[in-house]
Amino acid sequence: AQKVTQAQTEISVVEKEDVTLDCVYETRDTTYYLFWYKQPPSGELVFLIRRNSFDEQNEISGRYSWNFQKSTSSFNFTITASQVVDSAVYFCALSESRGGADGLTFGKGTHLIIQP
Amino acid sequence: GAGVSQTPSNKVTEKGKYVELRCDPISGHTALYWYRQSLGQGPEFLIYFQGTGAADDSGLPNDRFFAVRPEGSVSTLKIQRTERGDSAVYLCASSDYRGNEQFFGPGTRLTVL
Repeated sequence: AQKVTQAQTEISVVEKEDVTLDCVYETRDTTYYLFWYKQPPSGELVFLIRRNSFDEQNEISGRYSWNFQKSTSSFNFTITASQVVDSAVYFCALSESRGGADGLTFGKGTHLIIQP
Repeated sequence: GAGVSQTPSNKVTEKGKYVELRCDPISGHTALYWYRQSLGQGPEFLIYFQGTGAADDSGLPNDRFFAVRPEGSVSTLKIQRTERGDSAVYLCASSDYRGNEQFFGPGTRLTVL
């Protein structure tokens, strides 16, 4: 069965520090998709990134970067030079191409607090 | 364009009552998903529609929960004989294709007294 583990329940850093959110996944499928979503205090989930299992290239988008490593089943998310507006709950999620449920399997989330 | 919308934003009901939650997906999105999010948890998958049909309802917790999407656009999640444990935020998402990014609505907060 598919599973997503976000071991860090809460992280608190001071503004401008770099921070990495960990995500480890389990799946028996060879084709799958990984996602990160942000849930700010307003509550609405915001899509950040989608990666498929065949593309291990790391991705950078502004201050955000993602490190996908199939060898360790990890898809970690780094925020560089964090800002107070980055404060939110961040969810990692998995979708399998074949087998398993059709919906996303989410981790429990990491609550990121950026202190000014 | 308009995002996913959900109504009502809040619903308070009494134990044993029937409720309906509505989702209006992004125009043209054929895939529609319902999730339930309890406090401090990630969203949990309930049901997935491809067009008008429920392609996967493996996440529905029991037969008190039912969802429809009769014309392939708006969907309604129906909960019969509500229980206090049903209290949660119910989220709807849509995507243009299964496996692609899902865009979420603001959710309906259901409180069962």
